[in-house]
Amino acid sequence: SYVLTQPPSVSVAPGKTARITCGGNNIGSKSVHWYQQKPGQAPVLVIYYDNDRPSGIPERFSGSNSGNTATLTISRVEAGDEADYYCQVWDSSIDHSFGGGTKLTVL
Amino acid sequence: EVQLVQSGAEVKKPGESLKISCKASGYSFTTYWIGWVRQMPGKGLEWMGIIYPSDSDTKYSPSFQGHVTISADKSISTAYLQWSSLKASDTAMYYCARRADNSDYFDPWGQGTLVTVSS
Repeated sequence: SYVLTQPPSVSVAPGKTARITCGGNNIGSKSVHWYQQKPGQAPVLVIYYDNDRPSGIPERFSGSNSGNTATLTISRVEAGDEADYYCQVWDSSIDHSFGGGTKLTVL
Repeated sequence: EVQLVQSGAEVKKPGESLKISCKASGYSFTTYWIGWVRQMPGKGLEWMGIIYPSDSDTKYSPSFQGHVTISADKSISTAYLQWSSLKASDTAMYYCARRADNSDYFDPWGQGTLVTVSS
């Protein structure tokens, strides 16, 4: 199996930048996707193919992926960004795999 | 508008069978994969398996192979997830989600179906 490691929690003050990491062996060679899940709601895709944004997702959301770490960056964080965030990859040997999730707290 | 609408919450006893559904609308059902994802209470997302409704090609996560069955009915644009004998540990929220044939991310997701298994 392919293990994706995320920090359990990240805290950030409003207006600041939040960075959520997703670690995996040579993850830079794979495409990484990110989902936002607010309490009581289904996950929503916020970044796909490392750094593409679906329509309707603010430009404040961006991603990067290199080496053994992919990163979701949320600029100018707002209270409404508070949620759980999950990374996900696909590989021909493991099919789909999700990270354990990171709870983003806006202070 | 692309939508996946899942069946309602279920309360079952251990050993009972169950089939939950995911009805697609707003796109061509047979040209996208439908995946199923489990979320146990207070826990993260776990990929269970995926089906291509056009030919019913199905792939399972090793963790779920043999424990669940994924199927689809093209005539009514609906995918299914079923259990023959539920366990208390199957208590979870289950999501379906669409994946394009030439991509590997899920968008959109259904609203989820809560399955509670308790004696």
